[in-house]
Amino acid sequence: NAGVTQTPKFQVLKTGQSMTLQCAQDMNHEYMSWYRQDPGMGLRLIHYSVGAGITDQGEVPNGYNVSRSTTEDFPLRLLSAAPSQTSVYFCASSYSGRVAEKLFFGSGTQLSVL
Amino acid sequence: LAKTTQPISMDSYEGQEVNITCSHNNIATNDYITWYQQFPSQGPRFIIQGYKTKVTNEVASLFIPADRKSSTLSLPRVSLSDTAVYYCLVGDMKGSNSGYALNFGKGTSLLVTP
Repeated sequence: NAGVTQTPKFQVLKTGQSMTLQCAQDMNHEYMSWYRQDPGMGLRLIHYSVGAGITDQGEVPNGYNVSRSTTEDFPLRLLSAAPSQTSVYFCASSYSGRVAEKLFFGSGTQLSVL
Repeated sequence: LAKTTQPISMDSYEGQEVNITCSHNNIATNDYITWYQQFPSQGPRFIIQGYKTKVTNEVASLFIPADRKSSTLSLPRVSLSDTAVYYCLVGDMKGSNSGYALNFGKGTSLLVTP
């Protein structure tokens, strides 16, 4: 099993450009989520989904869109990138999203917005 | 998700035992205590989970006192490769009120030096 796969690993954007960070899991997990990590700020939750067709906002959702059309995929869209969105992004998944379940993380996407 | 408090950072020398304490005064009866480890440039990974008393695996030990209002992650004889951020999460496995916004916070940044 590949686990949680994120693409791309690195990306450089210009301010105002749009892009989609891809996240896929092959563990048949219902719960998927996106985090961003900035120096000294820890992991901050952007959006999460408890199943196909269901999404909700986390701690820092502004500037990001998500949708969940399949169980396997949970893409994160930046419609108009801003320098404040320069960060490392992690996707994660678990069976149903209960805190006590093991959460599996991808290897991350390092995004720079110039 | 129960509120947790852990030190922002800790330093240790190689070969020492490191204990990281997490406070969770409002832990509920059904809550489990879960710890994650995040190496630089990687996503977090699950390392240990417990409900009460003591749990040990090949990576760490978790000590939980009878009142369960705190827990201590113990890393025996740390090496340079144990330099990482350690996160404590508290929540339940069953029930309808666990919530799905899994906020990790800043964790404890452990630096191990020679």
